[in-house]
Amino acid sequence: KAGVTQTPRYLIKTRGQQVTLSCSPISGHRSVSWYQQTPGQGLQFLFEYFSETQRNKGNFPGRFSGRQFSNSRSEMNVSTLELGDSALYLCASSLGPPEEYGYTFGSGTRLTVV
Amino acid sequence: GQQLNQSPQSMFIQEGEDVSMNCTSSSIFNTWLWYKQDPGEGPVLLIALYKAGELTSNGRLTAQFGITRKDSFLNISASIPSDVGIYFCAGQLGYGGSQGNLIFGKGTKLSVKP
Repeated sequence: KAGVTQTPRYLIKTRGQQVTLSCSPISGHRSVSWYQQTPGQGLQFLFEYFSETQRNKGNFPGRFSGRQFSNSRSEMNVSTLELGDSALYLCASSLGPPEEYGYTFGSGTRLTVV
Repeated sequence: GQQLNQSPQSMFIQEGEDVSMNCTSSSIFNTWLWYKQDPGEGPVLLIALYKAGELTSNGRLTAQFGITRKDSFLNISASIPSDVGIYFCAGQLGYGGSQGNLIFGKGTKLSVKP
């Protein structure tokens, strides 16, 4: 059974650019959550999508957005990149509401902003 | 926002030693989870705890959900080299809405004694 797949694995972008990251959940999983991981702040919740609807959102600026498609695949977008956006972005999928079913994490996309 | 205090931040282990780490919070949590993250990978769930006082084992790992619901600990018995990595505690405040997101500790880094 394939796990959570995130693409690309590594990305280098310039300040001011925008970036789109992709996540394919485990087959049958309907919930996708995104987390940002940095050495200073640790793992922080970005947002969660369930059946194409944003169910929860963390405390990140509006430059961070996401969406989920009908096949449960999800993308997150960061516009007007800042140096501080450099981080490992992790996607996690769940069969249903994650508080009931738990998460499986992908390996992440390492974003470097220069 | 909510914070989890995880300690120690780092520790060195010698093969065969027992290891303990813990997490505390000022808030009451509904669920406690323990994850391990290896370099270049996403966190992997080790143990999930759902009831105050619950003691759960997974092989050499044992975790407990504190009676006050504000803390949890993880023990690793008879450590082996592949135990090195970063261990995270995570908590969920409850079910539904923003209660379901995971709040993570900053991690405990396990390294091998030189």
